[in-house]
Amino acid sequence: GAGVSQSPRYKVAKRGQDVALRCDPISGHVSLFWYQQALGQGPEFLTYFQNEAQLDKSGLPSDRFFAERPEGSVSTLKIQRTQQEDSAVYLCASSPRPVNTEAFFGQGTRLTVV
Amino acid sequence: KQEVTQIPAALSVPEGENLVLNCSFTDSAIYNLQWFRQDPGKGLTSLLLIQSSQREQTSGRLNASLDKSSGRSTLYIAASQPGDSATYLCAVRQEYGNKLVFGAGTILRVKS
Repeated sequence: GAGVSQSPRYKVAKRGQDVALRCDPISGHVSLFWYQQALGQGPEFLTYFQNEAQLDKSGLPSDRFFAERPEGSVSTLKIQRTQQEDSAVYLCASSPRPVNTEAFFGQGTRLTVV
Repeated sequence: KQEVTQIPAALSVPEGENLVLNCSFTDSAIYNLQWFRQDPGKGLTSLLLIQSSQREQTSGRLNASLDKSSGRSTLYIAASQPGDSATYLCAVRQEYGNKLVFGAGTILRVKS
């Protein structure tokens, strides 16, 4: 596709439910990032992939959060046993090369945990 | 730890005014700095990318400068329009770990 695509755009989950958020990066982009954006805040880094390798997961807030990119293209962010504090917009970004290049963001998935 | 600060947090100006948004960062070990625009409920749109070796970039009515040694960047918007109303975010690309670190943003409102 022409840009980074994320699905679903909106997700409402009951507390304790597991959710999976999908990111389709721009074709051929090597780097993929996940960010979490709380209301009124800037995006906070969660994790980074270079192709299929997860090189940095230092921003994942707990072991309930898991991300994968098994074939180096589509990525999934999974949140287990969701809690109210997980409510946020989850943004995915991709870059064409590993370093020093422009990042392109998707529209995000707004997760609301009730 | 890299910290990015944006000032002001919010700004309201009449249409046609020139304005400056400020961004500062604490660690100068960056590859580049990127300015984004975010409309309510939407993702981020890249406006300008400045490499660490560059001093400024221009696109239309937008001009961004970078002073890496002092840890500062400014985004200049000329002849503001109501359509410029949005949240503006700056982010630095770390040399260590390659991640983008964002400021909290400046909410801009341009009144017609």
